[in-house]
Amino acid sequence: EDQVTQSPEALRLQEGESSSLNCSYTVSGLRGLFWYRQDPGKGPEFLFTLYSAGEEKEKERLKATLTKKESFLHITAPKPEDSATYLCAVLTNYGGSQGNLIFGKGTKLSVKP
Amino acid sequence: EPEVTQTPSHQVTQMGQEVILRCVPISNHLYFYWYRQILGQKVEFLVSFYNNEISEKSEIFDDQFSVERPDGSNFTLKIRSTKLEDSAMYFCASRQHATGFQGAKREQYFGPGTRLTVT
Repeated sequence: EDQVTQSPEALRLQEGESSSLNCSYTVSGLRGLFWYRQDPGKGPEFLFTLYSAGEEKEKERLKATLTKKESFLHITAPKPEDSATYLCAVLTNYGGSQGNLIFGKGTKLSVKP
Repeated sequence: EPEVTQTPSHQVTQMGQEVILRCVPISNHLYFYWYRQILGQKVEFLVSFYNNEISEKSEIFDDQFSVERPDGSNFTLKIRSTKLEDSAMYFCASRQHATGFQGAKREQYFGPGTRLTVT
């Protein structure tokens, strides 16, 4: 069964304290790994797509990386406005179908000033 | 910047009533989805829709659920007879047509959600 596991469940950082979030996955055929940001009561906001091992994407203080088994979201010098839940999702290969996203439970990040 | 919109933002209904949740996907997108998120739980796939028909559905999407694209812009989710356990945030998402693996854009863009409360 396809699975996505994120760790830690919650992470508290001081402003400027860099860290990484982990997303490990077990899927039958990966067609893409996606990172989203979700603020309370809102819909997931797209951040990055990664397609193959070794790929990296960056946006402001965030950098996403991908290996064959996991992805990391690195946060460099975070600010309080980076506080949110970060969701990882995979698009699997359902042979001919367009596939759907399988989400992890997310990591709730709190950044204190 | 184009975005997915959903209405209403909050719907309260009594058990057994029918509800229709509405979505306007991004205008040049061709794949449409509904997901739900029960409070404190994962975002879960319900159904995908392409070329005016359902492409895939999860085991959650039983006979009480249906989807429709009644015109060129709206995409709706109908729940015929709501149950207490249908209380959740419902998200609509859309995606551009994938033109092939190289350069394909497979990311889905989500709307703000409709909070459904069944009493």
